[in-house]
Amino acid sequence: AQSVAQPEDQVNVAEGNPLTVKCTYSVSGNPYLFWYVQYPNRGLQFLLKYITGDNLVKGSYGFEAEFNKSQTSFHLKKPSALVSDSALYFCAVRYRSYNTDKLIFGTGTRLQVFP
Amino acid sequence: SQTIHQWPATLVQPVGSPLSLECTVEGTSNPNLYWYRQAAGRGLQLLFYSVGIGQISSEVPQNLSASRPQDRQFILSSKKLLLSDSGFYLCACYPGLAGGTQFFGPGTRLTVL
Repeated sequence: AQSVAQPEDQVNVAEGNPLTVKCTYSVSGNPYLFWYVQYPNRGLQFLLKYITGDNLVKGSYGFEAEFNKSQTSFHLKKPSALVSDSALYFCAVRYRSYNTDKLIFGTGTRLQVFP
Repeated sequence: SQTIHQWPATLVQPVGSPLSLECTVEGTSNPNLYWYRQAAGRGLQLLFYSVGIGQISSEVPQNLSASRPQDRQFILSSKKLLLSDSGFYLCACYPGLAGGTQFFGPGTRLTVL
């Protein structure tokens, strides 16, 4: 069955330092993988996705993610963190069947960037 | 591009009262629509999804129901609210041409007292 794991509840990083938010997945077939960000009391915002092609995917706000098939990972990265990046981040994998098309989300990782 | 509207933005209801949350979508036709609940600012729980008018799939049995009376309208309802229904309710839309990408509305904060 499709699943996504975000092993860290919270990630703390100093402003200007690189950041990584981890995600591993379990799927049958080729994965469609996503990252979303959520600011307090707001809906989720789409950051980036991997479907096929280049393993390094670039997205909004300077974020990128690296797809690693052998490690079944899709970690979110940013070379230099900003205080405004502090938010809740969700990794997701697409699940499709005969009459189903949905995203399976991880439990979320809270990113705290300190000035 | 699509826009998702949700109302109300916040709602405080007593236990045992009915509920109706509305989600409408602009800018796309025949989307898949989804209702999620988020408790305590953490994980998302998929409640219902719909691939077309009148077609509703329930992910978990609970005190809620959903309906899709029009192509771009998705309603979440309850006849009698429980304390455990409190949370942040998010509507999402998959327009069908974005490789599975769902787009989310601003959410409704429901507090049941």
